[in-house]
Amino acid sequence: EPEVTQTPSHQVTQMGQEVILRCVPISNHLYFYWYRQILGQKVEFLVSFYNNEISEKSEIFDDQFSVERPDGSNFTLKIRSTKLEDSAMYFCASSGIGGDDEQYFGPGTRLTVT
Amino acid sequence: QKEVEQDPGPLSVPEGAIVSLNCTYSNSAFQYFMWYRQYSRKGPELLMYTYSSGNKEDGRFTAQVDKSSKYISLFIRDSQPSDSATYLCAMSATFPYEAGSYQLTFGKGTKLSVIP
Repeated sequence: EPEVTQTPSHQVTQMGQEVILRCVPISNHLYFYWYRQILGQKVEFLVSFYNNEISEKSEIFDDQFSVERPDGSNFTLKIRSTKLEDSAMYFCASSGIGGDDEQYFGPGTRLTVT
Repeated sequence: QKEVEQDPGPLSVPEGAIVSLNCTYSNSAFQYFMWYRQYSRKGPELLMYTYSSGNKEDGRFTAQVDKSSKYISLFIRDSQPSDSATYLCAMSATFPYEAGSYQLTFGKGTKLSVIP
């Protein structure tokens, strides 16, 4: 069964460093998303991406964040200068069209900022 | 007022019990409702989705939506220890087939334990 994959599973970084979280969405999906979940809190929407453009973004997704689809399979989230409060699980999701429009989530990357 | 409210539990039931999980919401624009299951330190896994008021069944699971009361429920019949997980309700103001991409708003999740 196709699935969304994410790497790394755990990333530890120092405050102020740049991190890139990687995702491989389901191959025929067209819409890609990032969500985050701070420990003990809700899953929160960050950004959606379609046709090489951001479709929607939340107020969390400020200038420190960027997304990119560098090739035909990867979808990345970059945090330019990490803060302690960026520590969270980051989930990638993807969805298709025409009856396959549910969002399927990856296993997540745990980001720890020290 | 928070957009989506969900009792975080924890909820502990004996094996075989009927489980009722609920969410309320304040945004009447929400049209598309989902239930996800999340095991510890894993990604959310879609269980069920529905667009309309009423009931939808899938095996031991029934999703119920009451748009007039802004209230959704998930019932699990004959609960099993393998059902032990956190259950997240999620909703969207956009129908995927209309807009393509859509943003999900989640509840906090209810942690369920089914005791053998």
